[in-house]
Amino acid sequence: DAKTTQPTSMDCAEGRAANLPCNHSTISGNEYVYWYRQIHSQGPQYIIHGLKNNETNEMASLIITEDRKSSTLILPHATLRDTAVYYCIAYNTGTASKLTFGTGTRLQVTL
Amino acid sequence: DTAVSQTPKYLVTQMGNDKSIKCEQNLGHDTMYWYKQDSKKFLKIMFSYNNKELIINETVPNRFSPKSPDKAHLNLHINSLELGDSAVYFCASSQGVTSTDTQYFGPGTRLTVL
Repeated sequence: DAKTTQPTSMDCAEGRAANLPCNHSTISGNEYVYWYRQIHSQGPQYIIHGLKNNETNEMASLIITEDRKSSTLILPHATLRDTAVYYCIAYNTGTASKLTFGTGTRLQVTL
Repeated sequence: DTAVSQTPKYLVTQMGNDKSIKCEQNLGHDTMYWYKQDSKKFLKIMFSYNNKELIINETVPNRFSPKSPDKAHLNLHINSLELGDSAVYFCASSQGVTSTDTQYFGPGTRLTVL
């Protein structure tokens, strides 16, 4: 799986959009971009995933650049409960269906 | 109705003991996983089973033995526990093994070895 690079930490004011960037410059054509988050040592929670097109669900939006070398997870109206570590993962099962978690971005949502 | 559940939530035990952690999923998924998150918060795959067959075994000591009695359950037995086994263990499941089969995680089991 391609290596991803994320900022170590970010702050966001409650009610504002949180934009979390992820670089995956070595991503291959069949690798999906997955986002998970982990709230205070709870189990990782699936957020969204995409291949080429931008995606939106009830939790977030995922914007993938045309060259697929980077992406941005957008939480449109961050709340205090969105404070968590967010993981961006380039994933292709290939011969092994394992998620490779990096260090992620610690998002702190403040009042 | 928890999708992926684990028992126990906390486990404190002495070095050298043998212990088991249980995982159950009610999602009807075919694939289940064990991940380990150490004190530095790195989360790594340990094992994966698809239709009760082992498909991933990541350089895990032989003291760790997963067992899948059926597709809904994947248990983890650990022999001769060591201090370094202290970690949070997460179970996960997915419908299958393709790139679009999202993995869903349980709440974790915090194991402390004294």
